[in-house]
Amino acid sequence: GQQLNQSPQSMFIQEGEDVSMNCTSSSIFNTWLWYKQDPGEGPVLLIALYKAGELTSNGRLTAQFGITRKDSFLNISASIPSDVGIYFCAGPYTGNQFYFGTGTSLTVIP
Amino acid sequence: NAGVTQTPKFQVLKTGQSMTLQCAQDMNHEYMSWYRQDPGMGLRLIHYSVGAGITDQGEVPNGYNVSRSTTEDFPLRLLSAAPSQTSVYFCATSRDTNTGELFFGEGSRLTVL
Repeated sequence: GQQLNQSPQSMFIQEGEDVSMNCTSSSIFNTWLWYKQDPGEGPVLLIALYKAGELTSNGRLTAQFGITRKDSFLNISASIPSDVGIYFCAGPYTGNQFYFGTGTSLTVIP
Repeated sequence: NAGVTQTPKFQVLKTGQSMTLQCAQDMNHEYMSWYRQDPGMGLRLIHYSVGAGITDQGEVPNGYNVSRSTTEDFPLRLLSAAPSQTSVYFCATSRDTNTGELFFGEGSRLTVL
């Protein structure tokens, strides 16, 4: 299957700090997606990117579709306690199979 | 509106037992899929379906069967459970896979002893 590697694997930050995480793939993707999973729940879509070089924001979240189409980045500004969770990148492979990254676990210390 | 409903939420099985994880959706989505989530491995696709009567294998299909007789339901069957199938299972649906937006259920935690 497709390999989507996320880094860092986990982060422990102080409330108010900015967060950066990234995702790299061994293959080219035409769509990059970022999901968040709250504890005990299923993932929810945060941001979708459809074009190489695209930069998209959703509130305090900003994501970028890498120029090579093999990577994507997610930034969270001024983190708050409810940002806690696992963040996944994902991309469609063959159109109907969505592959997810290994996840970045975020802990925000008040 | 219930969205995507998974049952049971928790299940303990003995090795060799069989069981079915249920997934029902009321959003009229054609696309449905099953994932398993294991620590450090992210979410891995087991099986998916693009409509009633159509199913296909994902990344890790071995040991699992699916069927899709209606738009609403997509059950996942374990015919002979193994400890390696201990995991959290998620059902996800999509209205339009071109958008990449998947709607997930709350998950089913399965332990195989």
